[in-house]
Amino acid sequence: GAGVSQSPRYKVAKRGQDVALRCDPISGHVSLFWYQQALGQGPEFLTYFQNEAQLDKSGLPSDRFFAERPEGSVSTLKIQRTQQEDSAVYLCASSPGGSQPQHFGDGTRLSIL
Amino acid sequence: AQSVAQPEDQVNVAEGNPLTVKCTYSVSGNPYLFWYVQYPNRGLQFLLKYITGDNLVKGSYGFEAEFNKSQTSFHLKKPSALVSDSALYFCAVRVISGNTPLVFGKGTRLSVIA
Repeated sequence: GAGVSQSPRYKVAKRGQDVALRCDPISGHVSLFWYQQALGQGPEFLTYFQNEAQLDKSGLPSDRFFAERPEGSVSTLKIQRTQQEDSAVYLCASSPGGSQPQHFGDGTRLSIL
Repeated sequence: AQSVAQPEDQVNVAEGNPLTVKCTYSVSGNPYLFWYVQYPNRGLQFLLKYITGDNLVKGSYGFEAEFNKSQTSFHLKKPSALVSDSALYFCAVRVISGNTPLVFGKGTRLSVIA
């Protein structure tokens, strides 16, 4: 496909479990962003990669959150020891860089029971 | 620090009437401004952007937005609303320097009534 692909679309986990969310960006896009969208809110920045380098992780809410993009393409957002407040939609976006817009995937809806 | 305000949680408009969704921003430096639309259970779709140049920018699906530097506003407009325009609309800003993340408003739900 031509767009940003995220999997799984829905994830239900019990509190305390670890989860991994995957993002396949648009081919050739060097920039990749992760956002968290709580119900009824706008997306909030988590972390940013340029190629394989994680240039900004200031939005990660705790050290339970970890993201990687080892080969500069696919990225994984991992949440350890999940808590109920982690329930949200996690959005991935990619961009060629510069002034170009970010293109978003459909997100992963995470529900922590 | 950057911020975006969308003062209306909900905008209702009759089909065929013009619509406006308001956005004001605060940023240190020159801004890049964007509008995105979100349909239920979907990600955000890019509508239009302001980088530089003409204050009136045109985007997808007949939408346009007017950049007003003195009022720090970037209101989204459409001359004639369609029922299919009903969705959640987000305004976003980022500074020009570097490839910085977007800062979003909380969104405005647009309902177009037939």
